[in-house]
Amino acid sequence: GAGVSQSPRYKVAKRGQDVALRCDPISGHVSLFWYQQALGQGPEFLTYFQNEAQLDKSGLPSDRFFAERPEGSVSTLKIQRTQQEDSAVYLCASSPRDPDLGNIQYFGAGTRLSVL
Amino acid sequence: AQRVTQPEKLLSVFKGAPVELKCNYSYSGSPELFWYVQYSRQRLQLLLRHISRESIKGFTADLNKGETSFHLKKPFAQEEDSAMYYCALEAPGGSYIPTFGRGTSLIVHP
Repeated sequence: GAGVSQSPRYKVAKRGQDVALRCDPISGHVSLFWYQQALGQGPEFLTYFQNEAQLDKSGLPSDRFFAERPEGSVSTLKIQRTQQEDSAVYLCASSPRDPDLGNIQYFGAGTRLSVL
Repeated sequence: AQRVTQPEKLLSVFKGAPVELKCNYSYSGSPELFWYVQYSRQRLQLLLRHISRESIKGFTADLNKGETSFHLKKPFAQEEDSAMYYCALEAPGGSYIPTFGRGTSLIVHP
């Protein structure tokens, strides 16, 4: 079956522009995560959904960042008034949260955001 | 707070040599630990997790609670092992939010 799909793969934005990044998780996966990965660093947690409920958004760096998953499937990460420090790869991962498969995360290819 | 440290940014070995990618963690309880791998032009994917106690592609990792380590080992490196490797920790019983290390780039020379 299809894996986690993210779009767009690349996004160039001018400083101050709003952007929206999309994530299509694996069908049936309950949990969805967003990460920010700066160059030379590991993924940093941003926010977590279980179905449509956003259970943790402690990693969002500012109130310019907003995420939603209204129907418990597709999720959108929105960044308002982008700044240069927002330039990074944004990764989405989904997880079945199954007693046997547990909490293995399945990652998308990421969206590379460059803010000029 | 939980933390994962991968002290080596880059590890360079020759084909057939043993490999050990280091991972140390900071967590007060009994964590769940994972190794994820990212091959060139591919997405991040799970390599192995400590609760499975399995060997994947010849790699093994043992959780050492005394040293708070979860080093990844392979006795004979292959060129196709060249990739970025990330160690990750999750607090059990929580929301399954992992903490990742910064990653180690493994380069295996022919």
